[in-house]
Amino acid sequence: AQKVTQAQTEISVVEKEDVTLDCVYETRDTTYYLFWYKQPPSGELVFLIRRNSFDEQNEISGRYSWNFQKSTSSFNFTITASQVVDSAVYFCALSEVTGGGNKLTFGTGTQLKVEL
Amino acid sequence: AAGVIQSPRHLIKEKRETATLKCYPIPRHDTVYWYQQGPGQDPQFLISFYEKMQSDKGSIPDRFSAQQFSDYHSELNMSSLELGDSALYFCASSLVLRGRGTEAFFGQGTRLTVV
Repeated sequence: AQKVTQAQTEISVVEKEDVTLDCVYETRDTTYYLFWYKQPPSGELVFLIRRNSFDEQNEISGRYSWNFQKSTSSFNFTITASQVVDSAVYFCALSEVTGGGNKLTFGTGTQLKVEL
Repeated sequence: AAGVIQSPRHLIKEKRETATLKCYPIPRHDTVYWYQQGPGQDPQFLISFYEKMQSDKGSIPDRFSAQQFSDYHSELNMSSLELGDSALYFCASSLVLRGRGTEAFFGQGTRLTVV
């Protein structure tokens, strides 16, 4: 069975600090996808990034960066110079590849609070 | 760009009533997913459809049913509502190519409150 663990329930930082959200996953599949979604207080789920299991290259997008390490089954997310607008719940998710689609298994989420 | 459209955005029902949630996927997306997110919880997969056929089933109660229509929109029907069904219900859509899916884009959700 697939499992995603986000051990940090809540993180509070001061604006402009860097923050890393941890994600550890378990799967028996050799092919899988990893995702990060952001859920602001308004409730919608915003897609941030998708990685496949064969691509361990780190990725940077503006203030966001992701570190995928297959050896430790981790897919961590770093926000550089955090801003108040980054305050949200962040979910890491894993999808198995089925014949007709890719359902997501979510972690329990990390509530990020960025204060002035 | 067009996004996933869900309606209604908010719904209040009484116990034992029936509710129908609608989802209009992104044009040309062939797969629709339904998720349920209880208060303070992560989204839980309910059911998915690929090319109008049910493709996978998660922890969906027997009181719930869903289908995908010829125009690819999907409906989640919930009967005999219970207080515990109060949640945010998300629909997502994706494009599956040769068995490998792209990222799922989520609608804004329907917040169902059962009183």
